[in-house]
Amino acid sequence: RKEVEQDPGPFNVPEGATVAFNCTYSNSASQSFFWYRQDCRKEPKLLMSVYSSGNEDGRFTAQLNRASQYISLLIRDSKLSDSATYLCAVNSGYQKVTFGTGTKLQVIP
Amino acid sequence: NAGVTQTPKFQVLKTGQSMTLQCAQDMNHNSMYWYRQDPGMGLRLIYYSASEGTTDKGEVPNGYNVSRLNKREFSLRLESAAPSQTSVYFCASSAVFNEKLFFGSGTQLSVL
Repeated sequence: RKEVEQDPGPFNVPEGATVAFNCTYSNSASQSFFWYRQDCRKEPKLLMSVYSSGNEDGRFTAQLNRASQYISLLIRDSKLSDSATYLCAVNSGYQKVTFGTGTKLQVIP
Repeated sequence: NAGVTQTPKFQVLKTGQSMTLQCAQDMNHNSMYWYRQDPGMGLRLIYYSASEGTTDKGEVPNGYNVSRLNKREFSLRLESAAPSQTSVYFCASSAVFNEKLFFGSGTQLSVL
């Protein structure tokens, strides 16, 4: 099992829709979790961090489920500008942060 | 605000050539990192510097060396480039080790 796994997508959703991605992790000792957004041919940019049960920032909500070892990212009222690849990252301790391979989102007019 | 600046943006090398990728951050961050990103592989850590004066190997260090020149600057050197090192390289920094990374704009490297 990979340390961090994401569904690569693409997720094609209409404008205004709500979409959710999951990211599973294998190390139960993981302490902190992050969502990054990466536009095509650009650098990843931090979107949200999650340290306990969840975090909300406007249309974006990140939730942590320790029992099932996954984090989720919920995007409400999707905009065309939300089209990007979303990377999750897991700080497992042991001097290590592991990134998932990303989930591609395409918001369609 | 420049954030994390890395140069060059593009580079083409022949097998066996050497080069250094430069990275500087102006956020007074303690930790700096070099990642490579390949299709289907995600971001993989090459080397990191948890704090000024220290460097350590990451997941894929073979063929690379690094120098933490001062708190601001962290360079990555390829001594003898190989086609397997064709990739996009990202420098990153963080105030706290392994928390909230800020990335540079990347270097597209091709080794022929």
